Amino acid sequence: DIVMTQSPLSLPATPGEPASISCRSSQSLLHSNGYKYLDWYLQKPGQSPQILIYLGSNRASGAPDRFSGSGSGTDFTLKISRVEAEDVGIYYCMQSLQAPITFGQGTRLEIK
Amino acid sequence: EVQLVESGGDLVQPGGSLRLSCAASGFTFSNHWMRWVRQTPGKGLEWLATIKTDGSEKNYVDSVKGRFTISRDNAENSLYLQMNSLRAEDTGLYYCARVASSGERYLDFWGQGTLVTVSS
Repeated sequence: DIVMTQSPLSLPATPGEPASISCRSSQSLLHSNGYKYLDWYLQKPGQSPQILIYLGSNRASGAPDRFSGSGSGTDFTLKISRVEAEDVGIYYCMQSLQAPITFGQGTRLEIK
Repeated sequence: EVQLVESGGDLVQPGGSLRLSCAASGFTFSNHWMRWVRQTPGKGLEWLATIKTDGSEKNYVDSVKGRFTISRDNAENSLYLQMNSLRAEDTGLYYCARVASSGERYLDFWGQGTLVTVSS
């Protein structure tokens, strides 16, 4: 199974300041088709998870442009250019390169 | 508007069974692969099962293989999860989710979840 490791697990963030979350996979998520099967989801308090970034770096429809994703085969980063109060919640990375699909442990972002 | 509405969650004794349903609307259900994902305090988000558009392909996480069965009825725009031999560790919030496309694989819509509690 591919193990997904996120850091940090807790992220106190200041409004207006940047923030970033790391996600590492135990093996490359690069498919032979050129896609990197790594997605980022945000679960806001009391809500279901929602897609932010797919295939490593593609912003999902409706996701604010302050969110961006980058990364190589095993190391990925979610960046928030300027944190806003509505960004609080738990961020998860997920790999779908191969079954079983696996998630990171989650990173809880809170506002300082 | 895309909607996924889960139902069927309940309190059940260990060893019991439940059938979860997910009613889909606002899109062509038969065009999308679908998944079940659960959320538990102990393991966070856990993928459980995936089913192809026509139901011809299914796969499962090892922990539920042989106990859970994913299925769909495209005529009824519904997804199901039959859960047998339930254990305490199956307690959690169960989500159905739509796969955006077979090529991109991400989950673009999630339901609100249905709660399963396994306890005597």
